Parts: sequence; C-alpha cells; structure tokens
Amino acid sequence: EVQLVQSGIEVKKPGESLKISCQGSAYSFSNYWIGWVRQMPGQGLEWMGFVHFSDSETRYSPSFIGQVTVSADRSINTAYIQWSSLKASDTALYYCAAALHGTARWDYWGQGSLVAVSS
Amino acid sequence: QSALTQPRSVSGSPGQSVTISCTGTSSDVGAYNFVSWYQQHPGKAPKLLIYDVNKRPSGVPDRFSASKSDNTASLTISGLQSEDDADYYCCSYWGSIYVFGTGTKVSVL
Repeated sequence: EVQLVQSGIEVKKPGESLKISCQGSAYSFSNYWIGWVRQMPGQGLEWMGFVHFSDSETRYSPSFIGQVTVSADRSINTAYIQWSSLKASDTALYYCAAALHGTARWDYWGQGSLVAVSS
Repeated sequence: QSALTQPRSVSGSPGQSVTISCTGTSSDVGAYNFVSWYQQHPGKAPKLLIYDVNKRPSGVPDRFSASKSDNTASLTISGLQSEDDADYYCCSYWGSIYVFGTGTKVSVL
C-alpha cells in the first residue's frame, strides 16, 4: 500500500530554521509531483509549493515564493520543505500530497506535520 | 491567486442531498477540466473524492457526484449519511500550480 510518512511535531523559536520531510514507502515516486499544503489553526487548505521527484523541478504558489523552499531526494524517496527563518505565523499543520505526473489527482496524503513557532 | 469561493457551510438531514458550489475564474476552474474535491474529517488528512471534474477514485461511494459549468464547479452528496459530516474543499489547476477553495463545512443534522 502506498504511504507518505511525514516527520513529527516541531517546536521552534522565531528566527530558527526548519526542514520537514515526507517519505514515500513501498513505492517509487519517481514520476510523481509532491505538493505541500498548509493548514493554519481552524483554517482551510493552502497549496505552498510543488516538487517533481524525477528531476526536482519546483513550482511555488505566489504567496509562498521566497518564504519556503521545496526539494526532493530521489535516492531515499523523500521530499522536503524548509524555512530559513521561522515566524510565529508559520505555526500550522503541514501536509504533503502526491500526484502522478500528468494528472491532477492528489491521491496520497501524509499524516501531517505540526509546526509550532513561539518565543 | 485568490482561493476559489465556496459557501462556508451547508447542512442537511440524513437521506437528503446537498450541493456545494466552487466558484473560480476563467483562469482556473473555467480554463481546465482539472477540478478535484477533497473531504477532511477533524484531525485527519484530506481524502480525494473526485478528480477531473467528475471522476471518482475506486472506493468512493457513488453518492458523491460532481460537475462543472463555466467558472463554477459543484459537488453533490446524495443520501446524506452521518459520516459525511466533514469539511470539503475544491481544488483547481491554475497554470502550473493548484489552488484550493475556501472550504465548506457539511453538517448532517
């Protein structure tokens, strides 16, 4: 069964850096796009950025350009999203999702990674 | 890019039907047949319900149906069941990325 497994809870201070991961298990995601989704407390879903596993092409939603960096390591079937300087407003639940290249169906979702940023 | 517009909430009694609208623009919903819908229960990850406007992945009950007209997509849940009480999000392709709707809370009375 295809699964996306994300890294766990992170508690950080403003200004710190962070990199969270999303690993595909029991399947090769070489021809998949991985998307990252933010869900702030009590709020809706927002696409942040996308990375293609095969060639590491990246795309970003306008609101997140310069705010985060998405990447992938095909050798270990893992995608990442990282922040260089966290803000309190980055406190949220972050999901990764996978869609086969050429389709628009986000079939597989990680369990979510909770990030709390507070001084 | 702004989020697609959905009603904040809809409700219905068990067995009834409800329809959720998702209004975008000629650059997203109106431009591509790449509209999908996701169901999210509290504390859970979203789940794909519909893709390519009106296709259901295997395992999704046929109570869920969807369509699109011009810049507005719609999701209909027929024969409401208690387990349908959840948040629902539409999603559209927009150029090279995607955009979600604002989300709709479906309450089963």
